Amino acid sequence: EAQVTQNPRYLITVTGKKLTVTCSQNMNHEYMSWYRQDPGLGLRQIYYSMNVEVTDKGDVPEGYKVSRKEKRNFPLILESPSPNQTSLYFCASSLHPGSPLHFGNGTRLTVT
Amino acid sequence: EDKVVQSPLSLVVHEGDTVTLNCSYEVTNFRSLLWYKQEKKAPTFLFMLTSSGIEKKSGRLSSILDKKELFSILNITATQTGDSAIYLCAVRTETSGSRLTFGEGTQLTVNP
Repeated sequence: EAQVTQNPRYLITVTGKKLTVTCSQNMNHEYMSWYRQDPGLGLRQIYYSMNVEVTDKGDVPEGYKVSRKEKRNFPLILESPSPNQTSLYFCASSLHPGSPLHFGNGTRLTVT
Repeated sequence: EDKVVQSPLSLVVHEGDTVTLNCSYEVTNFRSLLWYKQEKKAPTFLFMLTSSGIEKKSGRLSSILDKKELFSILNITATQTGDSAIYLCAVRTETSGSRLTFGEGTQLTVNP
């Protein structure tokens, strides 16, 4: 089944403890992206990647890192999480940058 | 700054009703407008609109774009409880490349 898989689905952590949210797609998509969803603010793009080894900042990149070493994987790294990064995170991919995005099921992160 | 506004933010109807959801936008160099349905997890793609006046239809759902007045509507006829979800509107511009600017969404509740 064609899908975008994120792990974990839920994560509770403490301020400053590094964490990684994994994202993998099995559709051979070139383009991958991370969004966060917050009440009243909608979905906002964090980082995106046009292809392997090509990443760039979105609207809200501060406090996040990404890497794209393989086409299928696009992990999101929080080196030193803070409470304002408590949010619902979505990984998404598309065949090309202009194609509709396919979203993963989301990761609900709480930072205390 | 690109802006997407959806209305209403929340709507409660009875099964069998017809609903119209609105999405207006203020962006530079419009390229496409997309509608997504978000239930408890991943947003799923509904429609992508690029040309004015051409209706896209899928079952009981349809959507149309007006590039002159800068808005789109999503119609759902003969609503069912399974239509209960958040409906998201997003816009892509020529200058934003891959990035989608999302509205806050419309929370639709269909009661039996």
